[in-house]
Amino acid sequence: NAGVTQTPKFQVLKTGQSMTLQCAQDMNHNSMYWYRQDPGMGLRLIYYSASEGTTDKGEVPNGYNVSRLNKREFSLRLESAAPSQTSVYFCASSQGPGSPLHFGNGTRLTVT
Amino acid sequence: DAKTTQPPSMDCAEGRAANLPCNHSTISGNEYVYWYRQIHSQGPQYIIHGLKNNETNEMASLIITEDRKSSTLILPHATLRDTAVYYCIVSDFLTGANSKLTFGKGITLSVRP
Repeated sequence: NAGVTQTPKFQVLKTGQSMTLQCAQDMNHNSMYWYRQDPGMGLRLIYYSASEGTTDKGEVPNGYNVSRLNKREFSLRLESAAPSQTSVYFCASSQGPGSPLHFGNGTRLTVT
Repeated sequence: DAKTTQPPSMDCAEGRAANLPCNHSTISGNEYVYWYRQIHSQGPQYIIHGLKNNETNEMASLIITEDRKSSTLILPHATLRDTAVYYCIVSDFLTGANSKLTFGKGITLSVRP
């Protein structure tokens, strides 16, 4: 099983460019999450989707949008990238509230 | 979610038990204690969780004090591959009331040969 797959693994953007980070899971999980991690910091929740068809804001949603495309896929979009969005982005999924989270290996984004 | 306090780092010798402490003095009755770890910038990995009883699985044991204000994650025979950042999280995530987990800075465990 692939588990949680994130693409791309690395990306460099210029300020103002847009891009979409892709996430797909093959575990038939109901809930999916996007976190960011900055150097020396813990993970901070950006957005989550408790079930297909729903999305909710986390701690740091400003500057991001999400789409739960179907049960498998949950994408994160940066409409106008800023240097403050330089970070490692992790996608995770779980069977539902309370179930362990399964994480992807991250997308390393640099905004210059 | 209740706040947790972990020391920033600790080390232990390979083959010995690693005991990772966590304080959560404001934990409420329906909040569980979760442990995750993150190895070298990979995505975090679930280890174990518990409410008030001690728990054990193939990876680790979780000891929760009777008053639930602190807990200890035990890796019985640490290996070099256990070097990682370990996150202790307290949340009512399991009840469904809270759909998300909040990660702090964690404790960095270094296992020395």
